Amino acid sequence: GIQVEQSPPDLILQEGANSTLRCNFSDSVNNLQWFHQNPWGQLINLFYIPSGTKQNGRLSATTVATERYSLLYISSSQTTDSGVYFCAVAQGGSEKLVFGKGTKLTVNP
Amino acid sequence: DSGVTQTPKHLITATGQRVTLRCSPRSGDLSVYWYQQSLDQGLQFLIQYYNGEERAKGNILERFSAQQFPDLHSELNLSSLELGDSALYFCASSVMSVNTEAFFGQGTRLTVV
Repeated sequence: GIQVEQSPPDLILQEGANSTLRCNFSDSVNNLQWFHQNPWGQLINLFYIPSGTKQNGRLSATTVATERYSLLYISSSQTTDSGVYFCAVAQGGSEKLVFGKGTKLTVNP
Repeated sequence: DSGVTQTPKHLITATGQRVTLRCSPRSGDLSVYWYQQSLDQGLQFLIQYYNGEERAKGNILERFSAQQFPDLHSELNLSSLELGDSALYFCASSVMSVNTEAFFGQGTRLTVV
């Protein structure tokens, strides 16, 4: 099946810093989503981005489907950005999302 | 709030018991998915229903079963529970069955003692 690799596995930042999280996938996909899992366990949708670039406030994402990777940018990080960021993909005709292992982000005040 | 409602939020039960987890999808969504998140396996797809019919199956144990009712809510039944079944169980929903954004509920944290 398709493999999803996220890097880095852990990231520690000071408040106000910028960061880039990467998601590599091993085959073509029709669906790619970024999620933030907060310390209470809730999975929050960030982006649905099978291709192209999107921005939402301090967050933006880019997926280059032909090169099989996606990037999540977090600017001016805040302590509330702490948590685990997951990338999940689904292939054409498949309904299931395959998740990466996540990037654990800690933002210190 | 994603619009997907899961109950209960927490569940503690003994080994060998049976539990039922409930999910109400977002209004208008026909597809419901169940995922399990454990420390060693990460987030894994269990099963999907679309408009009442089973659509896809993942790494779901035979002790587990699910269904989607005519009002589109879904239940995940876990039986003969083992310590290793302790995990966070998520329900997600989407409008279509493929190539659409999935939204997740808050999860049910199951602890088997």
